[in-house]
Amino acid sequence: GQNIDQPTEMTATEGAIVQINCTYQTSGFNGLFWYQQHAGEAPTFLSYNVLDGLEEKGRFSSFLSRSKGYSYLLLKELQMKDSASYLCAVRDGRSQGNLIFGKGTKLSVKP
Amino acid sequence: DSGVTQTPKHLITATGQRVTLRCSPRSGDLSVYWYQQSLDQGLQFLIQYYNGEERAKGNILERFSAQQFPDLHSELNLSSLELGDSALYFCASSAGSTTQYFGPGTRLTVL
Repeated sequence: GQNIDQPTEMTATEGAIVQINCTYQTSGFNGLFWYQQHAGEAPTFLSYNVLDGLEEKGRFSSFLSRSKGYSYLLLKELQMKDSASYLCAVRDGRSQGNLIFGKGTKLSVKP
Repeated sequence: DSGVTQTPKHLITATGQRVTLRCSPRSGDLSVYWYQQSLDQGLQFLIQYYNGEERAKGNILERFSAQQFPDLHSELNLSSLELGDSALYFCASSAGSTTQYFGPGTRLTVL
């Protein structure tokens, strides 16, 4: 079966660093994605990991450990506009491009 | 702007009715995906098309159907609508099995 877990909500302070964790169990794995979604809007692509290690892109970094079925998204120098839901999604290797999404982590950034 | 367009933006209808949601993928993308997002629920994969052919099916009800046309735009048909079908419906597109880019969504309200 397939299962993706991430915390439901997190709160952090403007200017701080926050780490959003994601654990997954899939019968086939072909990459992990992070998306940002503001309420009522479309998910927007943040990062993609297929090999173990850290991918850095500006204030956002994403880490993957395939042996542990674990990923995290690191957000640095938090801004108020970073308040959003962050969705972890795993690509099922058995079907082309099909993404299985977690329920998302709602991040609130406080001044 | 992801380059994926969806119409209409909002749709209000009554139980038992039938509606059609439309999606135009990014230029050059052959794959189209449909997702449903209910209040407080994660993105649920419904169905994928690749160059006009159905490629993968997720949790799509029998009352729902989709197709992709020769010009690559796609339509999602929802029939015998129920209150529980009220949700945001997103379309995404990709070039093969790469990153999916999401459209702005159609908010469906069934009264």
